[in-house]
Amino acid sequence: NAGVTQTPKFQVLKTGQSMTLQCAQDMNHEYMSWYRQDPGMGLRLIHYSVGAGITDQGEVPNGYNVSRSTTEDFPLRLLSAAPSQTSVYFCASRAEAGTQPQHFGDGTRLSIL
Amino acid sequence: AQSVTQLDSQVPVFEEAPVELRCNYSSSVSVYLFWYVQYPNQGLQLLLKYLSGSTLVKGINGFEAEFNKSQTSFHLRKPSVHISDTAEYFCAVRGGGSEKLVFGKGTKLTVNP
Repeated sequence: NAGVTQTPKFQVLKTGQSMTLQCAQDMNHEYMSWYRQDPGMGLRLIHYSVGAGITDQGEVPNGYNVSRSTTEDFPLRLLSAAPSQTSVYFCASRAEAGTQPQHFGDGTRLSIL
Repeated sequence: AQSVTQLDSQVPVFEEAPVELRCNYSSSVSVYLFWYVQYPNQGLQLLLKYLSGSTLVKGINGFEAEFNKSQTSFHLRKPSVHISDTAEYFCAVRGGGSEKLVFGKGTKLTVNP
Protein backbone atom coordinates (compact mmCIF):
# COMPACT_ATOMS: atom_id res chain seq x y z
CA ASN A 1 0.00 0.00 0.00
CA ALA A 2 1.27 3.46 -0.90
CA GLY A 3 -0.60 5.14 1.97
CA VAL A 4 -0.06 8.92 1.92
CA THR A 5 2.24 10.17 -0.83
CA GLN A 6 3.72 13.65 -0.83
CA THR A 7 5.60 15.28 -3.68
CA PRO A 8 8.11 16.77 -4.00
CA LYS A 9 10.31 15.65 -1.11
CA PHE A 10 12.52 18.74 -1.34
CA GLN A 11 12.04 22.17 -2.88
CA VAL A 12 13.83 25.51 -2.86
CA LEU A 13 11.89 28.62 -3.82
CA LYS A 14 12.62 32.29 -4.10
CA THR A 15 10.55 34.80 -2.17
CA GLY A 16 7.39 35.63 -4.09
CA GLN A 17 7.26 32.43 -6.13
CA SER A 18 4.21 30.22 -6.05
CA MET A 19 4.12 26.49 -5.59
CA THR A 20 1.78 23.58 -4.99
CA LEU A 21 2.65 20.74 -2.63
CA GLN A 22 0.93 17.57 -3.67
CA CYS A 23 -0.67 15.00 -1.38
CA ALA A 24 -2.46 11.84 -2.42
CA GLN A 25 -3.83 8.93 -0.41
CA ASP A 26 -5.10 5.58 -1.62
CA MET A 27 -6.98 4.48 1.51
CA ASN A 28 -10.29 6.15 0.65
CA HIS A 29 -9.98 8.33 3.74
CA GLU A 30 -12.46 11.15 4.15
CA TYR A 31 -10.31 13.32 6.38
CA MET A 32 -7.11 14.94 5.20
CA SER A 33 -4.96 17.66 6.70
CA TRP A 34 -1.77 19.65 6.27
CA TYR A 35 0.70 20.41 9.05
CA ARG A 36 3.92 22.31 9.19
CA GLN A 37 6.74 21.29 11.49
CA ASP A 38 9.24 23.82 12.80
CA PRO A 39 12.00 23.18 15.36
CA GLY A 40 10.67 23.34 18.90
CA MET A 41 7.12 24.01 17.71
CA GLY A 42 5.77 20.52 17.12
CA LEU A 43 3.26 20.15 14.30
CA ARG A 44 0.80 22.92 13.63
CA LEU A 45 -2.36 22.45 11.61
CA ILE A 46 -2.59 24.60 8.48
CA HIS A 47 -5.80 23.43 6.77
CA TYR A 48 -7.94 20.35 6.85
CA SER A 49 -10.75 18.72 4.91
CA VAL A 50 -13.55 16.43 6.05
CA GLY A 51 -14.43 15.32 2.54
CA ALA A 52 -14.41 16.30 -1.12
CA GLY A 53 -15.49 19.90 -1.55
CA ILE A 54 -15.14 20.76 2.15
CA THR A 55 -12.14 22.51 3.68
CA ASP A 56 -11.51 24.52 6.81
CA GLN A 57 -8.73 26.51 8.45
CA GLY A 58 -6.44 25.21 11.12
CA GLU A 59 -4.12 27.02 13.50
CA VAL A 60 -1.80 28.71 10.95
CA PRO A 61 -3.69 29.13 7.64
CA ASN A 62 -2.35 32.50 6.48
CA GLY A 63 -0.41 32.35 3.22
CA TYR A 64 -1.78 28.93 2.23
CA ASN A 65 -4.71 27.80 0.12
CA VAL A 66 -6.23 24.34 -0.26
CA SER A 67 -8.94 22.65 -2.28
CA ARG A 68 -10.39 19.15 -2.25
CA SER A 69 -11.90 18.18 -5.57
CA THR A 70 -11.47 14.44 -5.07
CA THR A 71 -11.28 12.12 -2.06
CA GLU A 72 -7.73 11.11 -2.99
CA ASP A 73 -5.99 14.47 -3.42
CA PHE A 74 -5.46 17.46 -1.14
CA PRO A 75 -2.94 19.94 -2.60
CA LEU A 76 -1.51 22.83 -0.59
CA ARG A 77 -0.78 26.06 -2.46
CA LEU A 78 1.63 28.81 -1.55
CA LEU A 79 0.59 31.81 -3.66
CA SER A 80 3.55 34.07 -2.81
CA ALA A 81 6.23 32.29 -0.82
CA ALA A 82 7.85 34.04 2.14
CA PRO A 83 10.96 33.04 4.15
CA SER A 84 8.69 32.43 7.17
CA GLN A 85 7.18 29.53 5.25
CA THR A 86 10.45 27.62 5.28
CA SER A 87 9.45 24.43 7.05
CA VAL A 88 8.77 20.72 6.72
CA TYR A 89 5.23 20.08 5.55
CA PHE A 90 3.30 16.92 6.36
CA CYS A 91 0.08 15.70 4.87
CA ALA A 92 -2.07 13.27 6.84
CA SER A 93 -5.27 11.35 6.34
CA ARG A 94 -7.60 9.27 8.46
CA ALA A 95 -10.77 7.27 8.09
CA GLU A 96 -14.08 8.89 8.97
CA ALA A 97 -14.54 7.29 12.37
CA GLY A 98 -13.39 9.68 15.08
CA THR A 99 -11.31 7.03 16.81
CA GLN A 100 -8.99 6.46 13.90
CA PRO A 101 -5.39 7.76 14.00
CA GLN A 102 -3.80 9.92 11.35
CA HIS A 103 -1.57 8.38 8.68
CA PHE A 104 1.27 10.68 7.70
CA GLY A 105 3.24 11.14 4.52
CA ASP A 106 7.02 11.40 4.56
CA GLY A 107 7.02 15.17 4.34
CA THR A 108 8.17 17.93 1.99
CA ARG A 109 11.16 20.01 3.01
CA LEU A 110 10.61 23.53 1.69
CA SER A 111 13.19 26.32 1.78
CA ILE A 112 12.29 29.89 0.81
CA LEU A 113 15.24 32.11 0.01
CA ALA B 1 -10.05 24.09 22.63
CA GLN B 2 -7.54 21.39 23.34
CA SER B 3 -3.88 21.89 24.14
CA VAL B 4 -0.95 19.59 24.86
CA THR B 5 2.13 20.20 26.98
CA GLN B 6 5.13 17.94 26.74
CA LEU B 7 7.08 18.75 29.84
CA ASP B 8 10.56 17.83 28.61
CA SER B 9 12.02 18.99 25.32
CA GLN B 10 14.99 16.63 25.57
CA VAL B 11 15.50 13.41 27.51
CA PRO B 12 18.92 11.71 27.51
CA VAL B 13 19.08 8.19 28.87
CA PHE B 14 21.46 5.25 28.82
CA GLU B 15 20.71 2.08 26.93
CA GLU B 16 18.64 -0.49 28.88
CA ALA B 17 17.45 2.15 31.37
CA PRO B 18 13.74 2.90 31.82
CA VAL B 19 12.28 6.08 30.42
CA GLU B 20 9.15 8.17 30.91
CA LEU B 21 8.12 10.94 28.54
CA ARG B 22 5.55 13.23 30.08
CA CYS B 23 2.46 14.64 28.44
CA ASN B 24 -0.34 16.74 29.92
CA TYR B 25 -3.39 17.90 28.05
CA SER B 26 -6.26 20.27 28.57
CA SER B 27 -9.72 19.79 27.18
CA SER B 28 -13.26 20.50 28.25
CA VAL B 29 -14.61 17.40 26.55
CA SER B 30 -13.71 13.75 26.35
CA VAL B 31 -10.56 13.14 24.36
CA TYR B 32 -8.68 10.71 22.24
CA LEU B 33 -4.95 10.63 22.96
CA PHE B 34 -2.08 9.53 20.77
CA TRP B 35 1.67 9.14 20.87
CA TYR B 36 3.64 9.35 17.63
CA VAL B 37 7.33 8.74 16.96
CA GLN B 38 9.43 10.48 14.34
CA TYR B 39 12.78 9.03 13.35
CA PRO B 40 15.27 11.40 11.69
CA ASN B 41 14.14 12.63 8.27
CA GLN B 42 11.00 10.54 8.35
CA GLY B 43 7.29 11.08 8.83
CA LEU B 44 5.31 10.32 11.98
CA GLN B 45 4.42 6.79 12.99
CA LEU B 46 1.70 5.92 15.48
CA LEU B 47 3.04 4.33 18.68
CA LEU B 48 -0.22 3.91 20.57
CA LYS B 49 -3.61 5.46 21.20
CA TYR B 50 -6.12 5.83 23.99
CA LEU B 51 -9.75 5.92 22.96
CA SER B 52 -11.64 4.57 25.97
CA GLY B 53 -11.64 1.66 28.38
CA SER B 54 -8.47 0.45 30.08
CA THR B 55 -6.27 3.32 31.12
CA LEU B 56 -3.07 1.38 30.39
CA VAL B 57 -2.42 1.24 26.68
CA LYS B 58 0.25 -0.88 25.06
CA GLY B 59 1.83 0.09 21.76
CA ILE B 60 4.51 -0.97 19.36
CA ASN B 61 8.21 -1.40 20.16
CA GLY B 62 7.53 -2.15 23.85
CA PHE B 63 6.07 1.26 24.68
CA GLU B 64 3.05 1.79 26.91
CA ALA B 65 1.16 4.80 28.22
CA GLU B 66 -1.22 5.42 31.07
CA PHE B 67 -4.22 7.72 30.81
CA ASN B 68 -4.91 9.60 34.02
CA LYS B 69 -8.09 11.62 33.75
CA SER B 70 -7.81 13.33 37.15
CA GLN B 71 -4.31 14.56 36.36
CA THR B 72 -5.06 15.08 32.64
CA SER B 73 -1.91 13.19 31.78
CA PHE B 74 -0.87 10.57 29.25
CA HIS B 75 2.73 9.68 30.01
CA LEU B 76 4.70 7.34 27.76
CA ARG B 77 6.95 4.68 29.30
CA LYS B 78 9.35 1.97 28.29
CA PRO B 79 11.05 -0.28 30.85
CA SER B 80 14.28 -0.74 28.89
CA VAL B 81 15.29 1.44 25.95
CA HIS B 82 17.52 0.63 22.99
CA ILE B 83 19.76 2.80 20.85
CA SER B 84 17.18 2.44 18.09
CA ASP B 85 14.59 4.27 20.23
CA THR B 86 16.45 7.52 19.66
CA ALA B 87 13.84 9.72 17.99
CA GLU B 88 11.43 12.55 18.63
CA TYR B 89 8.16 11.69 20.31
CA PHE B 90 4.94 13.65 19.98
CA CYS B 91 1.86 13.54 22.16
CA ALA B 92 -1.39 14.56 20.46
CA VAL B 93 -5.01 15.03 21.49
CA ARG B 94 -8.27 15.18 19.63
CA GLY B 95 -11.40 16.26 21.46
CA GLY B 96 -14.56 14.26 20.97
CA GLY B 97 -16.39 15.67 17.95
CA SER B 98 -13.44 17.74 16.75
CA GLU B 99 -11.62 17.04 13.53
CA LYS B 100 -8.46 18.76 14.72
CA LEU B 101 -5.50 16.82 16.10
CA VAL B 102 -3.42 19.06 18.36
CA PHE B 103 0.23 18.18 18.92
CA GLY B 104 2.65 18.91 21.69
CA LYS B 105 6.02 20.42 20.84
CA GLY B 106 7.79 17.09 21.02
CA THR B 107 10.39 15.37 23.21
CA LYS B 108 13.71 14.33 21.76
CA LEU B 109 14.79 11.04 23.29
CA THR B 110 18.48 10.25 22.98
CA VAL B 111 19.62 6.81 24.03
CA ASN B 112 23.34 6.65 24.76
CA PRO B 113 25.46 3.47 24.89
